Amino acid sequence: QEQLVESGGGVVQPGRSLRLSCAASGFSFSSYGMHWVCQAPGKGLEWVAVIWYDGTKKYYAESVKGRFTISRDNSKNTLYLQMNSLRAEDTAVYYCARGIAGGSDAFAMWGQGTMVTVSS
Amino acid sequence: QTVVTQEPSFSVSPGGTVTLTCGLTSGSVSTSYYPSWYQQTPGQAPRTLIYNTNTRSSGVPDRFSGSILGNKAALTITGAQADDESDYYCVLYMGSGIWVFGGGTKLTVL
Repeated sequence: QEQLVESGGGVVQPGRSLRLSCAASGFSFSSYGMHWVCQAPGKGLEWVAVIWYDGTKKYYAESVKGRFTISRDNSKNTLYLQMNSLRAEDTAVYYCARGIAGGSDAFAMWGQGTMVTVSS
Repeated sequence: QTVVTQEPSFSVSPGGTVTLTCGLTSGSVSTSYYPSWYQQTPGQAPRTLIYNTNTRSSGVPDRFSGSILGNKAALTITGAQADDESDYYCVLYMGSGIWVFGGGTKLTVL
């Protein structure tokens, strides 16, 4: 059974850091591009970042560029999102999503999400 | 900055047909934008319906179809059912690895 499980969310003060993880199972993780997508409370979906199947290419939304870093460990079937210099507007549910193929492709499947709250 | 547009809300009668659209504030949507569609109910993760304009994701009933209509991407739902009542999001590929979501359409079945 293909599955994505996010973890690492929580409450963090503005300016601090947080690292999210997304554990993949049931499919060949190293063959697919992976995304992070967020959703602020009561708002729509917002694409955050993508990483190629082999980690060689990474792209970010302008809103997080320079603050967030996407990475992956194919030996552990795990995707990460390092979130630095967090702001109140980063408060959202963060979903990881598997791409349809190895690059920046549409989202084939989703995890259940992890909530990040940035508040003092 | 180009924005992806969707109808904020739409309603359909049970058994009816509805077409939701996904456009651009500047320019036309084509297959080169690889439009895809996602369904989300409150408190749940999104579910992939359609990708690459018109390819149904595994397990998605053929009541859901995607296309390009004029200068927009479109999601058509035929034979609407009560459990189709959800938020629907489109996303477009803008090049250079970047994706942009529309604001979503809240579909009511009544």
